[in-house]
Amino acid sequence: DAMVIQNPRYQVTQFGKPVTLSCSQTLNHNVMYWYQQKSSQAPKLLFHYYDKDFNNEADTPDNFQSRRPNTSFCFLDIRSPGLGDAAMYLCATSILAGVGYNEQFFGPGTRLTVL
Amino acid sequence: AQKITQTQPGMFVQEKEAVTLDCTYDTSDQSYGLFWYKQPSSGEMIFLIYQGSYDEQNATEGRYSLNFQKARKSANLVISASQLGDSAMYFCAMRDPSGAGSYQLTFGKGTKLSVIP
Repeated sequence: DAMVIQNPRYQVTQFGKPVTLSCSQTLNHNVMYWYQQKSSQAPKLLFHYYDKDFNNEADTPDNFQSRRPNTSFCFLDIRSPGLGDAAMYLCATSILAGVGYNEQFFGPGTRLTVL
Repeated sequence: AQKITQTQPGMFVQEKEAVTLDCTYDTSDQSYGLFWYKQPSSGEMIFLIYQGSYDEQNATEGRYSLNFQKARKSANLVISASQLGDSAMYFCAMRDPSGAGSYQLTFGKGTKLSVIP
């Protein structure tokens, strides 16, 4: 089945130690998104790629970077994780469909713990 | 700026009963889309139902239906015949057409639904 895959599902890192989360998709969608979701809060968009065009949200800290080497893969790099970066990180994809229906398909998420 | 409001932090419903989860939105756009997602404790976001702003009929998907009242800017989710597996967080979201040509979602704060046996 076509899907959005995130690895690992659980990631533990140390304060200040760089960490990379990965996302892959078999849907061949143009757009890939990264969301941060802290406990009991709504998902918050960090950035998204439309094909190779990177779009950063204005309030996304510089500590967060992303790479999309090809259509299928997208990575989230946290350069120096702080305790406040502990959260669920959700990857999603969508296909540009004009002004109509444009569902986002989510991966299972990576739960990041910072020690 | 767009805004989604879910006023019910938590809801309880008896198994096999129907439940309505509230969602109101605020936008100046004429063309928009509204989504409901379910998030179980495992964390994945599961798409449930979609309503376009120009859709004349309320969306339905199995046991899920969307009570869309455009003039009141509300898009309530109705779950009929609740099941124990429906216990989860439910998020209402609005599609925001961005200048980059992609479509972002703005989420509400969510409603935690608990189904009681």
